[in-house]
Amino acid sequence: QKEVEQNSGPLSVPEGAIASLNCTYSDRVSQSFFWYRQYSGKSPELIMSIYSNGDKEDGRFTAQLNKASQYVSLLIRDSQPSDSATYLCAVNPKTYKYIFGTGTRLKV
Amino acid sequence: GAVVSQHPSWVICKSGTSVKIECRSLDFQATTMFWYRQFPKQSLMLMATSNEGSKATYEQGVEKDKFLINHASLTLSTLTVTSAHPEDSSFYICSAGTVAMNTEAFFGQGTRLTVV
Repeated sequence: QKEVEQNSGPLSVPEGAIASLNCTYSDRVSQSFFWYRQYSGKSPELIMSIYSNGDKEDGRFTAQLNKASQYVSLLIRDSQPSDSATYLCAVNPKTYKYIFGTGTRLKV
Repeated sequence: GAVVSQHPSWVICKSGTSVKIECRSLDFQATTMFWYRQFPKQSLMLMATSNEGSKATYEQGVEKDKFLINHASLTLSTLTVTSAHPEDSSFYICSAGTVAMNTEAFFGQGTRLTVV
């Protein structure tokens, strides 16, 4: 079992719709969770971080964390063509040592 | 967010030569820097963890004699790919962080290495 799993996609959503990206992780002691956006040929950029169960909202983005289910998700409201990218889920079981998922490619 | 600068952004070198990639934290002191490699359509794979003033810790399967890492100061870490071969062609990315950033780390722009 991979440590961090994501559906590779592509996930296609119409402009203006809600995109839902999902991620599961295997290490129960993980404390920090991150979503990065990566455009083709570019380095990842941090979109959201979440550390406690529940929802965290930032503009059009909402991260959801459920530690009991070992599940973290990212919702993108009012999806725009500029949101088309690969979204990487990262889990941090130890300080700074991120474990990345393979990423989900989103097409708007 | 904090700024991490990586240089060069792309490099082409001949097989058998060595290439050095620099990673600088511009507005903070990075006690720890990480080096990742990403092949096309794959995720980031951690190569090594670099702590200022000490030897780097390499992940399993990464040749430490081939990928030399130096973290001589709190703002600079370098990765040298020695005797590069075509299979070393990849996207190399560094990230840096400190305790003050609450475990968030920030990435450099990445270096596209092509070995011909």
